[in-house]
Amino acid sequence: AQSVTQLGSHVSVSEGALVLLRCNYSSSVPPYLFWYVQYPNQGLQLLLKYTSAATLVKGINGFEAEFKKSETSFHLTKPSAHMSDAAEYFCAVKFSGNTGKLIFGQGTTLQVKP
Amino acid sequence: GAVVSQHPSWVICKSGTSVKIECRSLDFQATTMFWYRQFPKQSLMLMATSNEGSKATYEQGVEKDKFLINHASLTLSTLTVTSAHPEDSSFYICSASPARPDTQYFGPGTRLTVL
Repeated sequence: AQSVTQLGSHVSVSEGALVLLRCNYSSSVPPYLFWYVQYPNQGLQLLLKYTSAATLVKGINGFEAEFKKSETSFHLTKPSAHMSDAAEYFCAVKFSGNTGKLIFGQGTTLQVKP
Repeated sequence: GAVVSQHPSWVICKSGTSVKIECRSLDFQATTMFWYRQFPKQSLMLMATSNEGSKATYEQGVEKDKFLINHASLTLSTLTVTSAHPEDSSFYICSASPARPDTQYFGPGTRLTVL
C-alpha cells in the first residue's frame, strides 16, 4: 500500500543547530513529494516540492530536501535553526494515478530552544 | 501568487444548525479543490475532492449528506456542515490546485465550534 511516514513526532534543536526532519514513502513508482509548514491556527504553507527534476530541492526560509530513490526518503534540512522555525511540519506525497490527492504524514513538531 | 482564502476564519454555532464555509482561490483558477479536517495535534484528513461543475468525491467514512460540497466556479468551493453537532467541532482547511494539479495551495483554515 502507498503510504508516507514521518519519523519522530517531536524534534527539538537549539537555535543555530542543524534541523533534520525525516520522511519516507512507500511506493514502487517515485511520487511527487512535498513539505508543508503549519503555524498554530493557520493553514499550510508550501516549503518545497519534488516533481522528478533535480533531486536536491531548495525551498523557502533556507530549507532544502533531497530525494533519495534508493532509500525512498525525502528528508527536510536546514543548516541553522531560527526561533521562527518552530512549527508543525508535514511531509506529503502525491502518488501517480490519483487525481492530485495528497497523502500526509503524521507531522513533526519542531521546537527551537534559545 | 497562489493565494487561497477561507471565510469565516472561525465560527461558533448551536447544535442542530448548519454552517457554510467558503474557499476561494484569489489569483488563479482552481479546477480542483480539496477539503480537509484536522483534529488538535493531528495530521490532515482528506474529506473530499471537488472539481468545478461536478459532484464531489468523498473519502470513505465521510458522510456526504452531512458535509455538502459545492464547487460552483473555478474560484469558489463551499463546505456546508448540516445539522452540526459538537463532534463536528474541528479545524477545516481547504486547498486548491490549478489546471496542472502538481501542487495544492492551502487556505488559512476555519475553526468550527459547535455548542
